[in-house]
Amino acid sequence: EAQVTQNPRYLITVTGKKLTVTCSQNMNHEYMSWYRQDPGLGLRQIYYSMNVEVTDKGDVPEGYKVSRKEKRNFPLILESPSPNQTSLYFCASSFGAPSGVFYGYTFGSGTRLTVV
Amino acid sequence: DAKTTQPTSMDCAEGRAANLPCNHSTISGNEYVYWYRQIHSQGPQYIIHGLKNNETNEMASLIITEDRKSSTWSLPHATLRDTAVYYCIVRVYGGATNKLIFGTGTLLAVQP
Repeated sequence: EAQVTQNPRYLITVTGKKLTVTCSQNMNHEYMSWYRQDPGLGLRQIYYSMNVEVTDKGDVPEGYKVSRKEKRNFPLILESPSPNQTSLYFCASSFGAPSGVFYGYTFGSGTRLTVV
Repeated sequence: DAKTTQPTSMDCAEGRAANLPCNHSTISGNEYVYWYRQIHSQGPQYIIHGLKNNETNEMASLIITEDRKSSTWSLPHATLRDTAVYYCIVRVYGGATNKLIFGTGTLLAVQP
């Protein structure tokens, strides 16, 4: 089944303890992206990647890192989590095309992170 | 980046048509309009997209005005399972700004 898989689904951690949220897609998509969702603010893009070894900042990158060493994986790293990073996180992926036509992102099921 | 404006919420009776409006008056010529929906706290699900012509798929229809400044997503027979937040998004493409900009969407509540 074509899907984007995030792990873990739920995570409670303490301030300052490094963590990684994994994201993997099995659709050979070039584009991958991380979003966070907070009440009243909608979904905001954290980082995105247009292909292997190509990543760039989204709208709210502070406090996050990403890497894209393989096409299928795009982990989100919080080096020193803080309570303001408590949120619902989504990974997404998509094909792209040279013409710029974009066939829509496929989203993962989400990771609910609580930092205490 | 072109922005979109949607009503915060709408109600619809089960079995009736749901028509969700979206305003994107600053859309540029090569920007597409996308619709997604999010059921509870699940990942958003792609519904449909279009450039300037009306589009229809197995789920619903997207009607884009001739001047492309607004669109309507139309679900002919709403069911309780269609209760969700619906996002209208204008997609920016080009260079380093390839992303979807989500607003806060419209909460569609389908009533029995």
